[in-house]
Amino acid sequence: GQNIDQPTEMTATEGAIVQINCTYQTSGFNGLFWYQQHAGEAPTFLSYNVLDGLEEKGRFSSFLSRSKGYSYLLLKELQMKDSASYLCADIGNTGFQKLVFGTGTRLLVSP
Amino acid sequence: DTGVSQDPRHKITKRGQNVTFRCDPISEHNRLYWYRQTLGQGPEFLTYFQNEAQLEKSRLLSDRFSAERPKGSFSTLEIQRTEQGDSAMYLCASSQGQVDTEAFFGQGTRLTVV
Repeated sequence: GQNIDQPTEMTATEGAIVQINCTYQTSGFNGLFWYQQHAGEAPTFLSYNVLDGLEEKGRFSSFLSRSKGYSYLLLKELQMKDSASYLCADIGNTGFQKLVFGTGTRLLVSP
Repeated sequence: DTGVSQDPRHKITKRGQNVTFRCDPISEHNRLYWYRQTLGQGPEFLTYFQNEAQLEKSRLLSDRFSAERPKGSFSTLEIQRTEQGDSAMYLCASSQGQVDTEAFFGQGTRLTVV
């Protein structure tokens, strides 16, 4: 894992769907997390993927392709409160949850 | 339990001074992590404790940094002879169980070195 890459910033309108992509280095991969972080606040857990496929949780879904080193977070029915940074992070093969984060994608939802 | 608690929330210090931050994890969590986050970046791993044992330290953690978790409960992070480059948000997180369980983050301590 590691070498996380995600877009710096995205914009979308309320009610729309947005997909935030993340790529990572596939060697030593043990799982991928998505966290949400509002400005000035702590990151909060959104999802964890270790197997290929789509995990759905309400308005948020996360997808993983291990062979491609690719994940995305899908946000549906966007709300203003979804304006935040979305952090992609992987864990290596250290045996504990040492998260290696990307720079985060700042999402701005407009009316 | 109200989650991971960090103290203080904000700290302004003069260059060269020592500072100490405290983290109280969720009570049953045996794993505790410190991260550092600068503006526009994701958190960077600093160090990890399992119970009272410090099992890994990042190369980011220079000799001026030291962390402890004396009884496997709360942890402290001390920075000696602070430099302006130490200005950042210092985040603590805790988790329990297997590697795939989520880590819960505290609100962080924002350090400003002037």
